[in-house]
Amino acid sequence: DTAVSQTPKYLVTQMGNDKSIKCEQNLGHDTMYWYKQDSKKFLKIMFSYNNKELIINETVPNRFSPKSPDKAHLNLHINSLELGDSAVYFCASSQGRQANGYTFGSGTRLTVV
Amino acid sequence: SQKIEQNSEALNIQEGKTATLTCNYTNYSPAYLQWYRQDPGRGPVFLLLIRENEKEKRKERLKVTFDTTLKQSLFHITASQPADSATYLCALDSHTGKLIFGQGTTLQVKP
Repeated sequence: DTAVSQTPKYLVTQMGNDKSIKCEQNLGHDTMYWYKQDSKKFLKIMFSYNNKELIINETVPNRFSPKSPDKAHLNLHINSLELGDSAVYFCASSQGRQANGYTFGSGTRLTVV
Repeated sequence: SQKIEQNSEALNIQEGKTATLTCNYTNYSPAYLQWYRQDPGRGPVFLLLIRENEKEKRKERLKVTFDTTLKQSLFHITASQPADSATYLCALDSHTGKLIFGQGTTLQVKP
């Protein structure tokens, strides 16, 4: 199936831990994104990569570090997790400047306890 | 400051009626405006895109209008069905390469 797939789907971890979320797309898109959806369902962009190059880096704590080993993968590493990091994280991809819409993954629900 | 507002958090309508959702924005000059559908526990799914120089776009039972003077987009679902129940998100790109989302409107279509 052509899609954006992210793992894990659920992640429960303790404060202070370091965790990673992986994302892969097989759509041949050149741009990938990380979005955070908070408890009020508001989707906010965090990062964007185009062909492995960082092009958008929003005001996100530097505990969050994206890594794109190739244009089909965009991983998100989070250091020293805090309670406020609890949210659903969505990976997405697009071809070009959003002209054809984004394709989103199914999300990773991160709970920090 | 820049804002995108979807004017109601929830909308309840009867099956068969037309649902109309509103997206207003301030202090943006969007190149594109997009509409997405999100079901509980799932990622948003792209529905329609309309460009700044377009007034209206249709896809099956969906229609989107875009008025850059009023700074508003309307999203219509005609002959609504219970399966249309979901949260609908508008999003715009203001020539910055970022797609910024509204907070969503949850539509409930009752049989």
